[in-house]
Amino acid sequence: EIVLTQSPATLSLSPGERATLSCRASQSVTNNLAWYQQKPGQAPKLLIYAASNRAPGIPARFSGSGSGTDFTLTISSLEPEDFAVYYCQQRYNWPLLTFGGGTKVEIK
Amino acid sequence: QVQLQESGPGLVNPAGTLSLTCTISGDSIISKNWWSWVRQSPEKGPEWIGELYHGGNTNYNPSFQSRVTMSVDKSKNQFSLRLSSVTAADTAVYYCARGPHVTLFGVATDVFDIWGQGTMVTVSS
Repeated sequence: EIVLTQSPATLSLSPGERATLSCRASQSVTNNLAWYQQKPGQAPKLLIYAASNRAPGIPARFSGSGSGTDFTLTISSLEPEDFAVYYCQQRYNWPLLTFGGGTKVEIK
Repeated sequence: QVQLQESGPGLVNPAGTLSLTCTISGDSIISKNWWSWVRQSPEKGPEWIGELYHGGNTNYNPSFQSRVTMSVDKSKNQFSLRLSSVTAADTAVYYCARGPHVTLFGVATDVFDIWGQGTMVTVSS
């Protein structure tokens, strides 16, 4: 099973600041990595697929990068609605699909 | 606009069977899409349970393989989850979702692009 490790667990930032979230895979997943945003009481929302492609309707301040084992989600300038928990997800070793443990972006 | 809605008992007895249904609106269960169940325990990341296709194909997470069954009801545009021999560890919010195997802007990828709102299931006597 491929394990996804996200860091940091919590990121304390102010609106307008840049957020950099990391996701590391226990083995290469090539570019088969996605990012989701989850707010309290809501389902996860797809942000990024195939490592660097924004999902429909996602603002340009969200960007994804990386390949192999190391991936990054960047939020260029935090808006108030961006404070949430973010998860990465992979499906390289079909059919098993796994998620990371999450990074909480909180208001400093 | 595609919407998914979970339904089913919110309380299940230990050793019993958890049964949930997902009703699809704005899309067809017999489209090219696969459909999944994902659960999330409090303060944890999501956990994929399994997926199904309207033709009867299913793939399950090995962690649930011996306890899970998914099925389709084409006449009602629904799909269902049954999880047997439940314990307190199965207490979670259960989501139905469209995916994986979706195509976004011409790129085939294994993600979930539409989710239901989720339903809380507690295993307790």
